[in-house]
Amino acid sequence: QKEVEQNSGPLSVPEGAIASLNCTYSDRGSQSFFWYRQYSGKSPELIMFIYSNGDKEDGRFTAQLNKASQYVSLLIRDSQPSDSATYLCAVNPLKGYNKLIFGAGTRLAVHP
Amino acid sequence: EAQVTQNPRYLITVTGKKLTVTCSQNMNHEYMSWYRQDPGLGLRQIYYSMNVEVTDKGDVPEGYKVSRKEKRNFPLILESPSPNQTSLYFCASLQRGGYEQYFGPGTRLTVT
Repeated sequence: QKEVEQNSGPLSVPEGAIASLNCTYSDRGSQSFFWYRQYSGKSPELIMFIYSNGDKEDGRFTAQLNKASQYVSLLIRDSQPSDSATYLCAVNPLKGYNKLIFGAGTRLAVHP
Repeated sequence: EAQVTQNPRYLITVTGKKLTVTCSQNMNHEYMSWYRQDPGLGLRQIYYSMNVEVTDKGDVPEGYKVSRKEKRNFPLILESPSPNQTSLYFCASLQRGGYEQYFGPGTRLTVT
């Protein structure tokens, strides 16, 4: 079992719809959780991080964390073609502050 | 401008020829890391550094070396590259107490 699992996609949604991206992790002691966006050929950029159970909203993005189910998700409201990218889920485990364990990413395609 | 720089951006080399990929950050960050990104595997940490002269292995350190003689620089050294080290490499830095890792633009390495 991979430590951080994501559906590779592609997830295809129409413009204006809600895109829902999911991630599960295996280390129950994980402390904090991150969503990065990566455009093709570019470096990852942080969209959101969350460390408490529940929802965290930032503009069109909402991160949701459920530690009991070891599940973290990212919702993108009013999806735009510019949101088309690969979304990487990353987890900071208990054992290392500087350590991030990444999932393989979900490719999102927003079509007009 | 706050940034992480890497050089070279693209490199094609042959098996066994030593090479160094440089990484430099101008944000005075304590933590720095090297990742490799391969299709279907996501980003995997190679080495990280908590401060000058403090380095430790990540998840895939075999075949790599690093050094941290100055705070701003964290070079990645491949003493004897092999074709299985063909990958996209990212350097990242993080401020102590911060959450956001800043990634460099990436170095695409091909070993033939």
